[in-house]
Order: sequence, then structure tokens, then C-alpha cells
Amino acid sequence: QVQLVESGGGVVQPGRSLRLSCAASGFTFSSYSMFWVRQGPGKGLEWVSLISYDGSNKYYADSVKGRFTISRDNSKNTLSLQMNSLRTEDTAVYYCASPAVGFLDWLYLDHWGQGTLVTVSS
Amino acid sequence: DIQMTQSPSSLSASVGDRVTITCRASQGISYYLAWYQQKPGKVPKLLIYAASNLQSGVPSRFSGSGSGTDFTLTISSLQPEDVATYYCQKYNIAPLFGQGTRLEIK
Repeated sequence: QVQLVESGGGVVQPGRSLRLSCAASGFTFSSYSMFWVRQGPGKGLEWVSLISYDGSNKYYADSVKGRFTISRDNSKNTLSLQMNSLRTEDTAVYYCASPAVGFLDWLYLDHWGQGTLVTVSS
Repeated sequence: DIQMTQSPSSLSASVGDRVTITCRASQGISYYLAWYQQKPGKVPKLLIYAASNLQSGVPSRFSGSGSGTDFTLTISSLQPEDVATYYCQKYNIAPLFGQGTRLEIK
């Protein structure tokens, strides 16, 4: 079955960087766009970024544009999120998620990882 | 920018009640609307996609309706295991979630 396992979270000071990874298995990773969604403590869900199945298109929420970079390695079934210039408001659980249908960018999400916690604090 | 507004933000209902949660988009989004359930401490789970399509494995007491700007999620007979926060999401360009509706048992 589909498995998405995030890693790389931790405590980091404001202004520093962190790189998240998501290891995918159980499906043809290279055929699906992939998403990052975050959830601040006690808050709702916020879409962060999307990368198309082949990596040719990348999209970002305005709140992270210019600071975060999404990437993927289809040979290793891995999704990444490079987070630079972190702010306290970036504190959240970061989920990687995959849509229900391959080859489409904008779609609903039917598989979610367990999430990795990023805490930005001095 | 499109806004997604859910109402109510929280509600309490009795087991067996019919529960309705609404989601309004500030601009028309056709049928590009999904509903998710997030139980406390758990990962979001897809319930409904394309406004009214039930995801495989989701109990039939859940249903969705609407198109354009106004959407509803209905639980026909509330069960104790339905305690959760429910989110709507527009998933066409620039996905956006509603603020969530917390559902409790009275």
C-alpha cells in the first residue's frame, strides 16, 4: 500500500535552514505530483507547495515563495522541501501528500504521511 | 484571492443527528471541492472529492453536495467515531483549505 514517510524536522533558530524529505513507496512515484501541506500548532491545514510528476512545474504558497524550494528524485522515490530563512510562523507539522490520480497537478489528496514537526524558535 | 469560509466553526450534536457543515467560496470553483476529516492527533483523511463523490471506504452516511460557491458536507446519522475536525478544500489552482469545523458529541 501507499506509504509516505517524512523526515528532517526539528528545532531551528529563526533565519536558519532545514531540509525535509519524504520517502514514498507502494505506488509509481514518478507518475504523481506531490504536495507539502503544513499545520501549525492548534491551527488548520495550509497548502505549502506542489511539484508536478516530472518535476517540470513547481508552485508555492505566497507565504513561502522565495524561501522554500520543492524538489523530487524520481530515481529514489523521494520528495524534498528546502526551507530557508525560517520564521517563527513556519512552525508546524509538515505533511507530504499525494493525489488520487497520476499526471495531474491540481487534485485532491488521498494519501498523507504522518508528518514531521518543524519548530522555529530562538 | 479566493477565500474559503466554513460554518459553523464548531458544533455539538447528538448521536443519530443529521449534521450539516457548509463551505462557501468567494468565487466560483465549479466542483473542485474536497472534504477531509481529521481526528484528534491523526492525519487528514479524504472523505469527498469533486464536491459529491464519496471516497472509497468512507461510510455512506457521509455525503457532499454543491457547486460553484456553496457546498455542504452532511452526516446523515452522527456516530461517536465522527468526532473530528472537518475541512473543505478547493483544489484547483492554488489549493486552499477552509478554517475547519470542529464536531463534538453532545
